[in-house]
Amino acid sequence: DQQVKQNSPSLSVQEGRISILNCDYTNSMFDYFLWYKKYPAEGPTFLISISSIKDKNEDGRFTVFLNKSAKHLSLHIVPSQPGDSAVYFCAASAQRGSTLGRLYFGRGTQLTVWP
Amino acid sequence: DGGITQSPKYLFRKEGQNVTLSCEQNLNHDAMYWYRQDPGQGLRLIYYSQIVNDFQKGDIAEGYSVSREKKESFPLTVTSAQKNPTAFYLCASKLSGTVAVMEKLFFGSGTQLSVL
Repeated sequence: DQQVKQNSPSLSVQEGRISILNCDYTNSMFDYFLWYKKYPAEGPTFLISISSIKDKNEDGRFTVFLNKSAKHLSLHIVPSQPGDSAVYFCAASAQRGSTLGRLYFGRGTQLTVWP
Repeated sequence: DGGITQSPKYLFRKEGQNVTLSCEQNLNHDAMYWYRQDPGQGLRLIYYSQIVNDFQKGDIAEGYSVSREKKESFPLTVTSAQKNPTAFYLCASKLSGTVAVMEKLFFGSGTQLSVL
């Protein structure tokens, strides 16, 4: 049963515009959320994270928003650049309980930024 | 230069053969993880180890085995019982295994395993 869901397998955006990637989760114990970026045949690299005590975290062109009541988070990339084209994974973890520290990943969204 | 090293980059397995994927880290991390990536499936957890000499099954452990004899090393063996081993395998680590700290995972560059 997928506890972290990324319902859009792909997203195509023009360079300079905003990219919005969405993620939903079902486990109310999750209190730490991360986004990873992955290029083909490489390992994922960490992009940005947010804890459940916040509703927004910003790092340069990347902003993550968390809506706890809706169990939803989103990653905004502004402005989008061709180099942002990659698969983006949403991940979540719980700092309490039997799954302490384990990360659960969504299936990923392939972002394509075209000139 | 600290990091996670996975080897080999590409590996081929013959029918009925066991193969071992190497994962070494020099980050002094307690916890290590093995994930499998299939197209459209995202990252699925095979095994993880929160501390030396201890490991737990993840969601898809059948057909795989691991050991954690040293802090730096967490090799994954794909046994002949794994009927569909073709995938991209990722090793990861993080600093704390048993302490409740919000930490990110660091990933290696992956091993692509294919069946001959």
